[in-house]
Amino acid sequence: ETGVTQSPTHLIKTRGQQVTLRCSSQSGHNTVSWYQQALGQGPQFIFQYYREEENGRGNFPPRFSGLQFPNYSSELNVNALELDDSALYLCASSVRTAYQETQYFGPGTRLLVL
Amino acid sequence: TQLLEQSPQFLSIQEGENLTVYCNSSSVFSSLQWYRQEPGEGPVLLVTVVTGGEVKKLKRLTFQFGDARKDSSLHITAAQTGDTGLYLCAGVRAGNNRKLIWGLGTSLAVNP
Repeated sequence: ETGVTQSPTHLIKTRGQQVTLRCSSQSGHNTVSWYQQALGQGPQFIFQYYREEENGRGNFPPRFSGLQFPNYSSELNVNALELDDSALYLCASSVRTAYQETQYFGPGTRLLVL
Repeated sequence: TQLLEQSPQFLSIQEGENLTVYCNSSSVFSSLQWYRQEPGEGPVLLVTVVTGGEVKKLKRLTFQFGDARKDSSLHITAAQTGDTGLYLCAGVRAGNNRKLIWGLGTSLAVNP
């Protein structure tokens, strides 16, 4: 148990719809990162939030957006869903230090777009 | 271009065998982590290595960080079916950018 929770666990949407995924970070962690993971592949970095501000973004279009709240929980929003958006979406919380950043992952939200 | 190359991509072995998974890069990393992920779950941190040449042991798992901090290996002795999963390496590159960079993973199947 990492103390990181995500909701919902599973979700089915149709093309063109919008989806919001939620993440509660581990207590004391001020950084949340979101990843998209296709089956059998490594996680692909979407973006990271540090103290409520976006702190880096991967190669994802603007229809992927996020938010971090004062309690450091976070949301990932995806607009105009496409079939290729079907994946496991992972949230990881961490505490940034000068030398390393150990990320603790939630169980993920599995999204299926039909 | 993948900054962290993992090999092999897939590995299927019999219970009791030994195996080594590699994580290589041309870049220097200030730290490198290994994760294991089971189907339907998020990755779980196994170990973090930060010093060149460092060796860490976790029961039957041995992790090594290369002297130049550009590569790492994970060796499993006497594999068990419970070792089955996706093994991921991830590192923080030396320098000001502290973003975690991920390999694509090694999918390990240990057969009874």
